[in-house]
Amino acid sequence: NAGVMQNPRHLVRRRGQEARLRCSPMKGHSHVYWYRQLPEEGLKFMVYLQKENIIDESGMPKERFSAEFPKEGPSILRIQQVVRGDSAAYFCASSTTRTGERADTQYFGPGTRLTVL
Amino acid sequence: AQTVTQSQPEMSVQEAETVTLSCTYDTSESDYYLFWYKQPPSRQMILVIRQEAYKQQNATENRFSVNFQKAAKSFSLKISDSQLGDAAMYFCAYRWIYNQGGKLIFGQGTELSVKP
Repeated sequence: NAGVMQNPRHLVRRRGQEARLRCSPMKGHSHVYWYRQLPEEGLKFMVYLQKENIIDESGMPKERFSAEFPKEGPSILRIQQVVRGDSAAYFCASSTTRTGERADTQYFGPGTRLTVL
Repeated sequence: AQTVTQSQPEMSVQEAETVTLSCTYDTSESDYYLFWYKQPPSRQMILVIRQEAYKQQNATENRFSVNFQKAAKSFSLKISDSQLGDAAMYFCAYRWIYNQGGKLIFGQGTELSVKP
């Protein structure tokens, strides 16, 4: 049973370019979460998605960042016009259970390390 | 707003000894989950242990156990018989059960080194 998969593992972009990070949840998981880890810091929540729906984007920067989880295919975190401050590790996690029900554990992917030159 | 605090940026333990990592949190909710995640140099986030707030019994997972003090809002992790492979960054995390987003709130982390 494959775990959460993320690609690429490392991504280098120049300022002003776009970054696309992909996440495939564990089999049977329909909930995806994105977190960002800046150097020397803990993980910070960005967005929570279900298939074709954004449930909570309270941690997403208002500009340049977007996320989607289409009916088919992986979840995508997109960063437009990247700046040096976007350099970080971006982690995706998945779980089986939603709000109001017995909360389940989030399992993390290996992360994508984004470097902006 | 909920917060999680890990007051020990670094800890060190001798191999085969026991170490305790501290975590405190602040919440006005009564139903929530607490987690400890391990992040080794590979940067992969690995679940170590989970505690449901409604359970009085402390969770255990092999050499890992927690001391959950709900009234004090404290959630420490004890690692017994420490091994070299336990060296990693450890993060404490909180999740409100009924939070629509189900997001995890993480502490700043404690870096654990294990001396042979």
